[in-house]
Amino acid sequence: NAGVTQTPKFQVLKTGQSMTLQCAQDMNHEYMSWYRQDPGMGLRLIHYSVGAGITDQGEVPNGYNVSRSTTEDFPLRLLSAAPSQTSVYFCASSYRQKYEQYFGPGTRLTVT
Amino acid sequence: QQPVQSPQAVILREGEDAVINCSSSKALYSVHWYRQKHGEAPVFLMILLKGGEQKGHEKISASFNEKKQQSSLYLTASQLSYSGTYFCGTGRTGANNLFFGTGTRLTVIP
Repeated sequence: NAGVTQTPKFQVLKTGQSMTLQCAQDMNHEYMSWYRQDPGMGLRLIHYSVGAGITDQGEVPNGYNVSRSTTEDFPLRLLSAAPSQTSVYFCASSYRQKYEQYFGPGTRLTVT
Repeated sequence: QQPVQSPQAVILREGEDAVINCSSSKALYSVHWYRQKHGEAPVFLMILLKGGEQKGHEKISASFNEKKQQSSLYLTASQLSYSGTYFCGTGRTGANNLFFGTGTRLTVIP
């Protein structure tokens, strides 16, 4: 099993550009989530999904969209990048939302 | 809404013990502990559920006091490989997701 995979590993965007961060898992997990990690702030939840077709907002959802058309994939879309979105983004999955989470390797995003 | 972790940082010599604390102002049903090494993803260590269970994993164990909404992570006879940032994630009654603390940076030196 590959576990949780994320692409790309690194990305540089200009202010106003849009892009999609990809996340996939091959463990047939129902629950998937996106976090951003900033220095001194820990992990903050952006959006999460409890199953295909079901998504909900986390603590810091503004400026991001998600969709979950399949169990395996959970892409995160930045609509119009801003310097405040410079961060490391982690995707995670778990069997159900109250179980241990498995994290992907992360995407380091810089917005100039 | 984030749980509070203490201390923020700690330096140990190999073989010494450490305790990392996590407290929440909200009612909890679970506490997760993760360790993250520099430049890597967080890795799951253990989960504690309501009921005051204490779980162990080799020389790393943890407790959960649901009445005080607190959890503690115990690292005994620390090894160099224990270095990293430790995060607690709290599961709250009525919420579908975890809330993570800001982390405790642990450095073990020879």
